[in-house]
Order: sequence, then C-alpha cells, then structure tokens
Amino acid sequence: AQSVSQHNHHVILSEAASLELGCNYSYGGTVNLFWYVQYPGQHLQLLLKYFSGDPLVKGIKGFEAEFIKSKFSFNLRKPSVQWSDTAEYFCAVNRRDTDKLIFGTGTRLQVFP
Amino acid sequence: DAGVIQSPRHEVTEMGQEVTLRCKPISGHNSLFWYRQTMMRGLELLIYFNNNVPIDDSGMPEDRFSAKMPNASFSTLKIQPSEPRDSAVYFCASSPPATGELFFGEGSRLTVL
Repeated sequence: AQSVSQHNHHVILSEAASLELGCNYSYGGTVNLFWYVQYPGQHLQLLLKYFSGDPLVKGIKGFEAEFIKSKFSFNLRKPSVQWSDTAEYFCAVNRRDTDKLIFGTGTRLQVFP
Repeated sequence: DAGVIQSPRHEVTEMGQEVTLRCKPISGHNSLFWYRQTMMRGLELLIYFNNNVPIDDSGMPEDRFSAKMPNASFSTLKIQPSEPRDSAVYFCASSPPATGELFFGEGSRLTVL
C-alpha cells in the first residue's frame, strides 16, 4: 500500500537557522508530490507541489523541495527560518492515476526568536 | 473567491447523538475529500468523491460513519451514534480536475462527551 513517511516529528530551531524536513514515499509508480503547511489553529494550505519537470521546486515564503526519484524522497528546505514559520508541515503523495492524496504524519516546527 | 466552506465550525455533543458535518466545495472542483485529524493518528482520509460518486471509502472507520454527496456543491459526513473517540477535527477538501491539489476548509472541531 502507498505510504508517506516523515521522520522528523518535532523540530526546534532558532531564527535564521536552516531547515530540512525529510519525506519518503513508498509507491514505485508515477506520483505527484506536495508539501502543505498548517499554522496553529488553521487549515492546511499548499506550500509547493511537484508534478513533473525540474525536480527542484520553489514554493511560497522561501521554501523549496527537491524530488529525488531514486531515493523516493521529497525533502523540504528553507535556508533561513523565521518565527512565523512555526507550524506543522505535511508531505503528501498521490498516484497520477488517482485523486487519492495520502499524507504523512506531519512535522511540528517550532522557531524561537 | 469563496473557498471550501464547512459547518459547523465547532460542535459539542453527547455520546449517542447524531452528528452531521457539512461541506460546500469550491465551484468547478470535481473531487471532494473528507479527512479526520487527531493528535494520535494525524490526518486520515475517510472518503473521497469524484463527480459526486464515492470512489474510495476504505478509510471510513465503521458503519457509524456515512457520507453523501447529493450534488456537486454539497456533501455531508454523518456519525450515528457518536462516541467520545470520534472527537477530532474533520476537514473537507476539494480539488479541481487533473491537478491533485487539494483546497481545504477551515475544519469542523467535534467534541463528543
């Protein structure tokens, strides 16, 4: 069965530190990949997505992610985090032939000033 | 543009009562999803519809849960009878054709006493 793993459950950083959140998926076919963000008390919002083309994807608020097909990974990065990046981050995957989007368990990021 | 609209935003009820959660997807979107979010299990896909037809309901916990989509602009998720373990935030999301990108509602926070 298709699954998504996020190995970092809770990350604590100081402002200006660099961020990398891991995401691995188990499906071997063609997939679409997403990162969503959930700010405290809010709903999920799309951060960035990969469908095809350049495996390095730029998203909003300075985030980027790199799709490495050989590693089944889609890690999220940001060179310098801000206090306002405090949120929960979810990686999600769906197969190209279905709309079913499977989410990872999420990574809670806390950024301290 | 109006986003995905869910109601009620908060509901507190007693065990055994019927609960109905409502969702209005974004106009033009042809897929609709119901997710449940808890601290213990994260984001779980309960059911999704494509063109008002249920495609995958394998995530529906048990027969107490049912979902309908009578038309393209309305869906309900019903729990009857409700139990304390159903307490969670229930998110509805919709997706335009052939993108895989989900747009989430604000969620319905359910507390079953």
